[in-house]
Amino acid sequence: DIQMTQSPASLSASLGETVTIECLASEDIYSNLAWYQQKPGKSPQLLIYDASSLQDGVPSRFSGSESGTQYSLEINSLQSEDAATYFCQQHHDYPYTFGAGTKLELK
Amino acid sequence: QVNLQESGPGIVKPSQPLSVTCSVTGYSITTSYYYWNWIRKFPGNKLEWMGYISYDGSIYYNPSLKSRISITRDTSKNQFFLQLNTVTTEDTAVYYCARVSWGYFDYWGQGVMVTVSS
Repeated sequence: DIQMTQSPASLSASLGETVTIECLASEDIYSNLAWYQQKPGKSPQLLIYDASSLQDGVPSRFSGSESGTQYSLEINSLQSEDAATYFCQQHHDYPYTFGAGTKLELK
Repeated sequence: QVNLQESGPGIVKPSQPLSVTCSVTGYSITTSYYYWNWIRKFPGNKLEWMGYISYDGSIYYNPSLKSRISITRDTSKNQFFLQLNTVTTEDTAVYYCARVSWGYFDYWGQGVMVTVSS
C-alpha cells in the first residue's frame, strides 16, 4: 500500500495568516492527490484534486502544489471558518490511502 | 444535486455481521463512469477506504478486508450496501458512503456511527 505521511498533526494560526500542510507519498503518485476539509460532525469536503485543481465552489485562498512526492496544501488569509481537520488522499493506486490528518485551530 | 445517506444499526455485537445501507438521490448509481465507495473513520481520526461497487456492478475491496467484506447494490432502489462479517471492537467507526469521480471523492454521505459492543 502507498503510505501518506501528513504533517503537522496540528497547528494553530491567527486570522489572516497563511498556513501550509504537507503530505509525503511513499512512492510516486503522479499528481493523483486530493485534499479534504472535515469539520466536527460533518463529512469530508473535497477541496483540491489532481494535486492542484480547485474543486468548484472552494475559495481561491486554498491552493495545492507538489514537489516530487511531497504535496502541499496552502491556505491564505485564514478565516474563522477554516478551523477544521484536513486530510490528503492518494488516488494513484488501490487501495486508496489517506494521510493521518492535520487539525487546524484558529487563535 | 447528488445526495448520499447512510443508515445502519448503531450497535453490533462482536462476531456478528455489520450492515449499512447507502441511499443515493439525485444521481443514478448505474451512470458511467462513477464508483460508489465505502470509507470508515476510526476513533482517533484514521480514515480507511474499504471498497467500491462500480456503475456496471464490478467490485473491488481493500485487501485488508477482503475475507470479511461484501458490497452489493439494488439498482431499482438506487442503493448500495456494505456488509462486514465477524466484527470486533476494532470495527467501531463512522461509516461513510461516497462517490468517486476520477479517483477522488466528490460527494459523501453524512456518515453513520457503528459501535461494536456486547
